[in-house]
Order: sequence, then C-alpha cells, then structure tokens
Amino acid sequence: AQSVTQLDSQVPVFEEAPVELRCNYSSSVSVYLFWYVQYPNQGLQLLLKYLSGSTLVKSINGFEAEFNKSQTSFHLRKPSVHISDTAEYFCAVKSANDYKLSFGAGTTVTVRA
Amino acid sequence: GAGVSQSPRYKVTKRGQDVALRCDPISGHVSLYWYRQALGQGPEFLTYFNYEAQQDKSGLPNDRFSAERPEGSISTLTIQRTEQRDSAMYRCASSSGRGQPQHFGDGTRLSIL
Repeated sequence: AQSVTQLDSQVPVFEEAPVELRCNYSSSVSVYLFWYVQYPNQGLQLLLKYLSGSTLVKSINGFEAEFNKSQTSFHLRKPSVHISDTAEYFCAVKSANDYKLSFGAGTTVTVRA
Repeated sequence: GAGVSQSPRYKVTKRGQDVALRCDPISGHVSLYWYRQALGQGPEFLTYFNYEAQQDKSGLPNDRFSAERPEGSISTLTIQRTEQRDSAMYRCASSSGRGQPQHFGDGTRLSIL
C-alpha cells in the first residue's frame, strides 16, 4: 500500500514570487506520481505526471516537479506564480502495477497581488 | 464526450433516502473509477470497473454502497438509506487503460440533512 504526505496545507504567496509544494510518499514498489490541481468551482485536472524516464517533468503552464527516489519525494515548483494559480493542489501516487490512486490531503495555494 | 461528465453537480437529500450518482466517462475509456473526498482530505478510492466488470470494490465503505456499469460506459454509484456521514464530494475518473493516467470529472457534492 502507498501513502502520500503533503507537508503544507496552506501556502500563501505573492504574485511573481516562487512557490514550492512538498510531497513525500511511501511505497515498497515502483510508483507513478502525479500532481492534480483543482481551481475554484472546477474539477480535478491532471497537472503533470512522472511515469518513467527523466526525473524532472514539466507542465505547460510553468510548473515542474522532480522525482527523487532516494528521498521518496515529488515536490512541485513554479519560479513565478500568477493570480490564476490560486487553487488546491493534490499529490497522488500509484503502484506501477496497480490502478488505485492514493492522494495527499491537498495544499491550498493563495496568490496575492 | 470531451471530458468526464458527472451529474448531478450538487445533491441535497434527507437522511434515509436513496441517491444515485451518474458518471459518463471519456469516450473510449475502458477503465472507470469512483473516489470519495471528505472535506479537508484527498480523494479515497471506492471502486474500479474494467469495461462492464466491477473488478475491485474494496473501497466501498459498507453494503449500502453499490455501483454498476452495465454497458461498459455510463456508471451509477448508488447509496441506499443515506446517513449524514455519507456527505462528501464523490468523484468519478476514467482512463484509456488500467495503468494509464486518470481524468476526473467535476464531482458530485452530496449533502445529507
């Protein structure tokens, strides 16, 4: 079984400042890792994923996450946030040979001008 | 369709009533999943379908919960004799295959009075 810990429940940040959302997981087998985002009044959207290959993965809107196997982490970063990045972000993990996603509790990012 | 569609978006009902939540997956997606998300937590797995076969219902909390996908497309999650503790966001996801990334609908917010 897997578990996910998102270390910060709330992250306030000023516009154009950098942000990092921390995610650690535990698993005894190979995993796939995901970040999902939920904008206000919308559903969960897949932001980016790590399945294999390069440990640094990027989204189309400037976010990136790095898979660190030794530290069992998959932290999400953006060098300069916009007001529109205000949302709740969920880290999720699943075993490579399974289908169930295990989610963290979520991190709410509030971007202020 | 273009995305996963869930209905109703909101459902308020009295304790003891039965409710049926509907999920219409992305066209061609053979795998379908239901999750439940309590306030302040991440989604938790309920059940999984491969085509019309319910292959895993280990996450269903008790026998008041059931799900079906009779033609391998639309799925219905039914909760009988609802209780206040059933109040949550119910999320449906679909994927093109068992190990592929899951795409979520907007969810159904269920409130039991």
